[in-house]
Parts: sequence; structure tokens; C-alpha cells
Amino acid sequence: AQSVSQHNHHVILSEAASLELGCNYSYGGTVNLFWYVQYPGQHLQLLLKYFSGDPLVKGIKGFEAEFIKSKFSFNLRKPSVQWSDTAEYFCAVINPQGGKLIFGQGTELSVKP
Amino acid sequence: AAGVIQSPRHLIKEKRETATLKCYPIPRHDTVYWYQQGPGQDPQFLISFYEKMQSDKGSIPDRFSAQQFSDYHSELNMSSLELGDSALYFCASSFSDRRDTQYFGPGTRLTVL
Repeated sequence: AQSVSQHNHHVILSEAASLELGCNYSYGGTVNLFWYVQYPGQHLQLLLKYFSGDPLVKGIKGFEAEFIKSKFSFNLRKPSVQWSDTAEYFCAVINPQGGKLIFGQGTELSVKP
Repeated sequence: AAGVIQSPRHLIKEKRETATLKCYPIPRHDTVYWYQQGPGQDPQFLISFYEKMQSDKGSIPDRFSAQQFSDYHSELNMSSLELGDSALYFCASSFSDRRDTQYFGPGTRLTVL
């Protein structure tokens, strides 16, 4: 069965610090990977996704993620975080048959001004 | 652009009561997904529909049922509510041939007292 694991449950950073959130997945076949963000009190929004091709994916708001097949990882990065990046971040993989998203446990990011 | 609409946004019920949550997908999206996000938890897939037929089923309790109507909107019916059903219920929609791109609604926050 597919699963997603996020290493950090809560990350606290100061503004302008660099961010890297870990995500590992377990699935032997072709994977479609996603990072979603959930701002306080809001719904899930897609940050970026990887289907194939260039393993370095750029998303919205300056985020990027790198797919490393050999490590089963899809880590999210941002060179310089802002206070407005305070949110919960979910890594997800999609079941290719039914289309259901399988989410990791989430990482809560708090950025101090 | 039109987004996924969910109603109500907030719902408070007593134990053993019933609740009906509604989801209106983005126009022309024919596939609807339901997810449950408990407090501090990651979203868990419940069920999905395509063309009024159930297309996939996750960890949905037998007390819950759902359906999709001819206009593609969907309803999640929950009976014999328990305290543990308190959660944020998200609906997402997509085109059936683009299940990898799901758009989430704002969610319905259900509180069971």
C-alpha cells in the first residue's frame, strides 16, 4: 500500500531562513507527488506537483521540490521564508487507479517575524 | 474562476443526530472526492464518485453514505453521529481524465457535542 511520511511535525524558523521539509513515500510504481499548503482556517491549496521529467519542480510562492527516486523522497524547499508562509504543509501521493490522494502527517511551519 | 463550494461551512450536532454535507464541484468537473481531517490529523480519503457511481472507497464508516447527482454535486450523509466524527470535511473535484489535479473546497467543520 502507498504511504507518505513527513519527518518534521513542527518547524519554527525566523524570516529569511531557508526551509527544507522532508517527505518520503512508499510505492514501487510510477508516482505522482504533490505538496499542498493549508493556511490557518483555510482549505488545501496546491503548491506544486511532480509527474515526470525534470525532478526539480518549481511551484507557487517561491517553493520548489526535488524528486529523488533512489531515495523515495520529495523534499520541499524555499530559500527564504516569510511570515506569511506560516501554515501546515502536506506531502501527498496519488493512487493512479482511483485518484485518491494519500497525505503525509503534515508539517506545521511557524515563521517568526 | 469558480471554485468548489461546500455547505454548510460550519455545523454543530448532538451525538446520535444526523448530518448532511453538500459539495458543488467546479463547473464541468465530473469527479468528486470526500476527505476527513480530524483535529491535528492529515486528511483521510473517504469516498469518490464519477458519473454518479462510486469510483473508490476509503476509510468511510458504515454510518456514512454518499451519492453524486446528475448535476455532479455530491452529498455526504452521516448518521448516528459520534464525538469522533468531529472534523473538517473536505470535498475536492476534478475532471475524470485529470484525477491528478484535484481542487479542494473550503471544507465543512462539523462539531459533534
